[in-house]
Amino acid sequence: GENVEQHPSTLSVQEGDSAVIKCTYSDSASNYFPWYKQELGKGPQLIIDIRSNVGEKKDQRIAVTLNKTAKHFSLHITETQPEDSAVYFCARGGSSNTGKLIFGQGTTLQVKP
Amino acid sequence: DGGITQSPKYLFRKEGQNVTLSCEQNLNHDAMYWYRQDPGQGLRLIYYSQIVNDFQKGDIAEGYSVSREKKESFPLTVTSAQKNPTAFYLCASSILAGTNGAEAFFGQGTRLTVV
Repeated sequence: GENVEQHPSTLSVQEGDSAVIKCTYSDSASNYFPWYKQELGKGPQLIIDIRSNVGEKKDQRIAVTLNKTAKHFSLHITETQPEDSAVYFCARGGSSNTGKLIFGQGTTLQVKP
Repeated sequence: DGGITQSPKYLFRKEGQNVTLSCEQNLNHDAMYWYRQDPGQGLRLIYYSQIVNDFQKGDIAEGYSVSREKKESFPLTVTSAQKNPTAFYLCASSILAGTNGAEAFFGQGTRLTVV
């Protein structure tokens, strides 16, 4: 019940195309789903998050969708740019009062110019 | 500037040595966390603390120890009992959101290598 499964592990797209990363979870008590971007040699930074009372959230070229019934959530990046190249992590939280996040395995996104 | 600071950026350890990684935050966060990152395995939780003088084991606590004597500081010691310590270590902090979940703010990481 703890794990978050993230797919794909690597993703290569042409500049301007869209990229989609999907995560699934099994703990139905989870109610907080953040996405982090990690550039080489740096710590992860939050790019967008969604809570369980919302089905979709957008921030410019980035969107996240959540299907609580199916227990999966996805990150969508449109009009990709080379600076979007990084490792992306999904996570789930809120199922306990510890505040800890459970992370997926990460997706390495490469945007080719 | 508010943030979370890890030091050193790179650390080399000889076999049998204990080493301590520093983590300091000035965000006034109650909760602090240590994660270990290995290629292809995401972030795995080592220890976490929700309040001064209290901490709990995460999923991979064996061979590690922590202390939380001050709200701002949460150092991690990698002991000689940790058989495979080479990894990228990340410290994070957050507000105490309980079951609402909260954003974790990460430091820049410490890369530890056994020589």
